[in-house]
Amino acid sequence: DTGVSQNPRHKITKRGQNVTFRCDPISEHNRLYWYRQTLGQGPEFLTYFQNEAQLEKSRLLSDRFSAERPKGSFSTLEIQRTEQGDSAMYLCASSLTEEQYFGPGTRLTVT
Amino acid sequence: GESVGLHLPTLSVQEGDNSIINCAYSNSASDYFIWYKQESGKGPQFIIDIRSNMDKRQGQRVTVLLNKTVKHLSLQIAATQPGDSAVYFCAENIGSNFGNEKLTFGTGTRLTIIP
Repeated sequence: DTGVSQNPRHKITKRGQNVTFRCDPISEHNRLYWYRQTLGQGPEFLTYFQNEAQLEKSRLLSDRFSAERPKGSFSTLEIQRTEQGDSAMYLCASSLTEEQYFGPGTRLTVT
Repeated sequence: GESVGLHLPTLSVQEGDNSIINCAYSNSASDYFIWYKQESGKGPQFIIDIRSNMDKRQGQRVTVLLNKTVKHLSLQIAATQPGDSAVYFCAENIGSNFGNEKLTFGTGTRLTIIP
């Protein structure tokens, strides 16, 4: 499968714990995006990388969130001191042009 | 602020019939639009896109129409099949000429194909 992959697919954590998600984009895609999706809503943009440079961050991305793409390939999204409101599907997408291709997402449940 | 919205949250269509899903956008600066299909537990799947310099684009069984005058986008699915049952999102990109990469999504329309 040469699509976008995300790990883990599901994560259950207790409030206050830190979590880290990984995204592996389509291999030749230089742009990588993180979105968050809550039940019944469309995805909301969080942040975007071109190669290793983080070029845009949403106001949704509080100080507890950090994203990296150290070698311009895979990316990680870390949430520190998780809160129940962080429960959502975290989606990663990649692109070479305007077409963004999404991975299956990581579903986070904060208890 | 700018937003992408949908007229109907749910749509049921008899198998084999055609379906039309509508979407309104409010930002006249949007120049690129995408339709995504999302099945339960999966990420959004790219269906078709259209640039603002076009008013129609066709794919396999799908057609996207763009009416810039009234800021309206529609997705037509011909000869619907049970596998078409999903939530459909339209998304817009403002300044897609590599100046703004953010997609803004609407809430979605749930399409149910009745066998």
